Amino acid sequence: KQEVTQIPAALSVPEGENLVLNCSFTDSAIYNLQWFRQDPGKGLTSLLLIQSSQREQTSGRLNASLDKSSGRSTLYIAASQPGDSATYLCAVTTDSWGKLQFGAGTQVVVTP
Amino acid sequence: EAQVTQNPRYLITVTGKKLTVTCSQNMNHEYMSWYRQDPGLGLRQIYYSMNVEVTDKGDVPEGYKVSRKEKRNFPLILESPSPNQTSLYFCASRQTGTDTQYFGPGTRLTVL
Repeated sequence: KQEVTQIPAALSVPEGENLVLNCSFTDSAIYNLQWFRQDPGKGLTSLLLIQSSQREQTSGRLNASLDKSSGRSTLYIAASQPGDSATYLCAVTTDSWGKLQFGAGTQVVVTP
Repeated sequence: EAQVTQNPRYLITVTGKKLTVTCSQNMNHEYMSWYRQDPGLGLRQIYYSMNVEVTDKGDVPEGYKVSRKEKRNFPLILESPSPNQTSLYFCASRQTGTDTQYFGPGTRLTVL
């Protein structure tokens, strides 16, 4: 059974520092991996999606890497801002219908 | 605006009192699903639907029912809620053949 783990569970950094969030999964047979952002009282917002054949994806200050063979992904957020404070969730797609297997998330606080 | 809506957003109820959480999407998506989110466990899939009148169990279906009579709606039914169903519930939809999933804002349910 696929298990997704995110470490650390919580992270606090001063504004301007780079953020590094880790995600690991036990079964390399995935369709893709996604990083989501979750804000209190709101739904999930997709940040980046990496296909299983890709090694990384970039969007603005965000960069996500994928090493399928070792079951790892890393989300980098450059020059963090207080507005980056949120919970970040990693999820792998495990079947052709798009079922997502989520990690428990990393709660990030960026202090001014 | 493309969106997934859920109602109600917050609900406090008592054990055994039947309830329905509605989910509606305006994007003509075939695939819809329900997840629950609990602290330390991430999101887990309850049920999913590939199209009208086609539904199947996810990882944690016990105590829940769903129906898909119309493409846009996918209600979650708790016929006899119990305290262990206290959770944050998310509905999601996706167009078949694409990877992006759209999430509703969530429904926070408390069963006393």
